[in-house]
Amino acid sequence: GENVEQHPSTLSVQEGDSAVIKCTYSDSASNYFPWYKQELGKRPQLIIDIRSNVGEKKDQRIAVTLNKTAKHFSLHITETQPEDSAVYFCAASPPFGNEKLTFGTGTRLTIIP
Amino acid sequence: NAGVMQNPRHLVRRRGQEARLRCSPMKGHSHVYWYRQLPEEGLKFMVYLQKENIIDESGMPKERFSAEFPKEGPSILRIQQVVRGDSAAYFCASSPNRDSYTFGSGTRLTVV
Repeated sequence: GENVEQHPSTLSVQEGDSAVIKCTYSDSASNYFPWYKQELGKRPQLIIDIRSNVGEKKDQRIAVTLNKTAKHFSLHITETQPEDSAVYFCAASPPFGNEKLTFGTGTRLTIIP
Repeated sequence: NAGVMQNPRHLVRRRGQEARLRCSPMKGHSHVYWYRQLPEEGLKFMVYLQKENIIDESGMPKERFSAEFPKEGPSILRIQQVVRGDSAAYFCASSPNRDSYTFGSGTRLTVV
């Protein structure tokens, strides 16, 4: 089955700086890669996703890049703000069958004011 | 649209009791997924259901755990004879198609 690895497990950045979180996946058939943000005690919320037919997607301060050859994808947050502090999870999904998401282990992002 | 509704939000059970967790998907969503999140860990897939059918239960322990999604009513995750290791947050997600999950707020189960 699919295996998703995520790094780093914790990340602290100065407010205004950029943050980058990286994930690798094992199943070359996976073609959908969402990113979720989870604040303490709350539900995971989708912040951005990318499908394998594109290499990059951007939404304001958030961008995701995908390298299918290397089987890795990354989340980029620019001009970080205190409200970006949360745990971020990447995930991967195969194109057929049971359609479940396999999640990475999460990155705890702390923005230092 | 009220979103994915899970109840209860918090559930305390003594060891050996049964826990029933409910999930009402968003209107129009026919796919339901259950995930378990242990403290300080990621989300682990448990089971994927469509109306009246279990599609994939590969992530669910073979014993004590069961799930259903009846024709009418919410999806139910049932844990029999709970043990301390079952303490976790259980999240339900629904989707109208293969992608675009929406998660509920979760049920935090504490076994004492």
